[in-house]
Amino acid sequence: NAGVMQNPRHLVRRRGQEARLRCSPMKGHSHVYWYRQLPEEGLKFMVYLQKENIIDESGMPKERFSAEFPKEGPSILRIQQVVRGDSAAYFCASSPTSEAAHEQFFGPGTRLTVL
Amino acid sequence: AQSVTQLGSHVSVSEGALVLLRCNYSSSVPPYLFWYVQYPNQGLQLLLKYTTGATLVKGINGFEAEFKKSETSFHLTKPSAHMSDAAEYFCAVSDPGGNNRLAFGKGNQVVVIP
Repeated sequence: NAGVMQNPRHLVRRRGQEARLRCSPMKGHSHVYWYRQLPEEGLKFMVYLQKENIIDESGMPKERFSAEFPKEGPSILRIQQVVRGDSAAYFCASSPTSEAAHEQFFGPGTRLTVL
Repeated sequence: AQSVTQLGSHVSVSEGALVLLRCNYSSSVPPYLFWYVQYPNQGLQLLLKYTTGATLVKGINGFEAEFKKSETSFHLTKPSAHMSDAAEYFCAVSDPGGNNRLAFGKGNQVVVIP
């Protein structure tokens, strides 16, 4: 059973470009979480999605950021018009249920660098 | 809102010595508590978790942690450090009624000295 997959692993963008980060959850998992890790910081929750639904986006910046988890295909985190402050590691995690006790399985992350 | 405090961003420990990483949390409800380890350029791997029941929790790689409600703490220990324990360690808390989202501490970068 393959783990959580994220691609690309490294992404370089110039200011003003768009960044698309992909996350394929573990097989059988229908719950996806995105976290952002800024340098010298812990991970911060961004958004929680189930198939075709955004359940909790309270951690997402109000502008330029969006996320989706379509019926088919990976979850996508999209950042429009990137700025230098968006440089961070973005981690996706998946879980088979929304039960709080359940382990979230993390992907290797996408490291975004904005020039 | 929940939060986690991990003091001392960098922790040095001699090989064979005790590893102790401190974690304190704040939560308005009984929390679920987790410790994750992150190796360079990898994702987070669960070491152990506390949900209910026994307050002393044993995890992988010889780590254990004890939930102390009176101290709002969940410190991580390992009796004898190995070189392979060099990594970053994160304590996290989730609200049982809050969609399972995790709130993380800032992490401890552990360096093992031969």
